[in-house]
Amino acid sequence: GAGVSQTPSNKVTEKGKYVELRCDPISGHTALYWYRQSLGQGPEFLIYFQGTGAADDSGLPNDRFFAVRPEGSVSTLKIQRTERGDSAVYLCASRRLLAGFYNEQFFGPGTRLTVL
Amino acid sequence: QKEVEQNSGPLSVPEGAIASLNCTYSDRGSQSFFWYRQYSGKSPELIMFIYSNGDKEDGRFTAQLNKASQYVSLLIRDSQPSDSATYLCAVNLVGAAGNKLTFGGGTRVLVKP
Repeated sequence: GAGVSQTPSNKVTEKGKYVELRCDPISGHTALYWYRQSLGQGPEFLIYFQGTGAADDSGLPNDRFFAVRPEGSVSTLKIQRTERGDSAVYLCASRRLLAGFYNEQFFGPGTRLTVL
Repeated sequence: QKEVEQNSGPLSVPEGAIASLNCTYSDRGSQSFFWYRQYSGKSPELIMFIYSNGDKEDGRFTAQLNKASQYVSLLIRDSQPSDSATYLCAVNLVGAAGNKLTFGGGTRVLVKP
């Protein structure tokens, strides 16, 4: 079946601009995650959705970052007033919730954001 | 102290040899452990997961978990040049942080023909 998809694959923007990154999870996966990965680092957690609600947004670095998942499927990560330090690969992952143990997350191809 | 630590490498391994990767974690209550492989410019893909102490084998890969010592390792037997990638260790922590994976920084592996 189809995997996690993300658009755009690349985004170049200027400092101070607003950007939106989209994630389409695997069908039936209730849990959706956003991570940010800088060069040479592991993915860093940003936010977790269970259904439509943000169950854990403790990883969002500041109030310029916001994410929504209005219908419990597609999610959009929104970054206001972008800064050069926001440049990274933004990864989305989804997971089918299972009772009893924590199963694996499946990652999308990522969006490479470059802020000039 | 980082929650999940890995040696960044690069770990250089001759083709056909065994590559041994280690990962330590700080949260003693962690329950689920994952190894992801990430090729340059690509997204992480799952190789192995392990929940119980001991060894788990899948093809050329073996994951080893020792909860008492708080480490998890990955062995790659008969290493191939196509195994050259960064290997990410990820841990599901307990409590409030238990809804996500916490990743180490990754170990870069280079298999030389």
